[in-house]
Amino acid sequence: AQSVAQPEDQVNVAEGNPLTVKCTYSVSGNPYLFWYVQYPNRGLQFLLKYITGDNLVKGSYGFEAEFNKSQTSFHLKKPSALVSDSALYFCAVRDLGRKNDMRFGAGTRLTVKP
Amino acid sequence: NAGVTQTPKFRILKIGQSMTLQCTQDMNHNYMYWYRQDPGMGLKLIYYSVGAGITDKGEVPNGYNVSRSTTEDFPLRLELAAPSQTSVYFCASSYSPGTSGGYNEQFFGPGTRLTVL
Repeated sequence: AQSVAQPEDQVNVAEGNPLTVKCTYSVSGNPYLFWYVQYPNRGLQFLLKYITGDNLVKGSYGFEAEFNKSQTSFHLKKPSALVSDSALYFCAVRDLGRKNDMRFGAGTRLTVKP
Repeated sequence: NAGVTQTPKFRILKIGQSMTLQCTQDMNHNYMYWYRQDPGMGLKLIYYSVGAGITDKGEVPNGYNVSRSTTEDFPLRLELAAPSQTSVYFCASSYSPGTSGGYNEQFFGPGTRLTVL
């Protein structure tokens, strides 16, 4: 079965610095990869996805992620963090060979300090 | 569009009680999902539906039931509530052609916080 790991429970960065939130995955076939963000007391919001094509994917709010097949990673990045980026971030993977089964990581809490 | 709406926002149940969590979407999406979110555990899929009249189990279906009589509505039924069902429940929807799974993003409701005492 597919799985996804977010190795850091918490990431702290200073406002204006670049940020990275890490994600690695395991699938038997080709992956669909997603990043979602959750603000307090809200549902998840879609940020970006990788399906095929260019390994660098650009998404909402200036976020981007790089698909690395050899390292089975899909790290989320932003060149300059904002305090308003502070939230819970989830990576998710769907195995093309297993319909409708999306697996989410445990989440990484990003805190951006002024 | 309201997107995905869920009711109630909060609920406290006693052990053994039953309840239905309501979910409605107005985006004409064919796929709908129910997840539970436990602290530090991410989201676990309970049930999903690929269209009206079609439902299937996810990763953690025990203790729950669903139905999908219309495109818009996807209620989740808890029978004989147990403390292990204390969680935050999210409904989501997405559109994908056909029923073989898809690559489009899911839209989430605001969640229902359920406590079973």
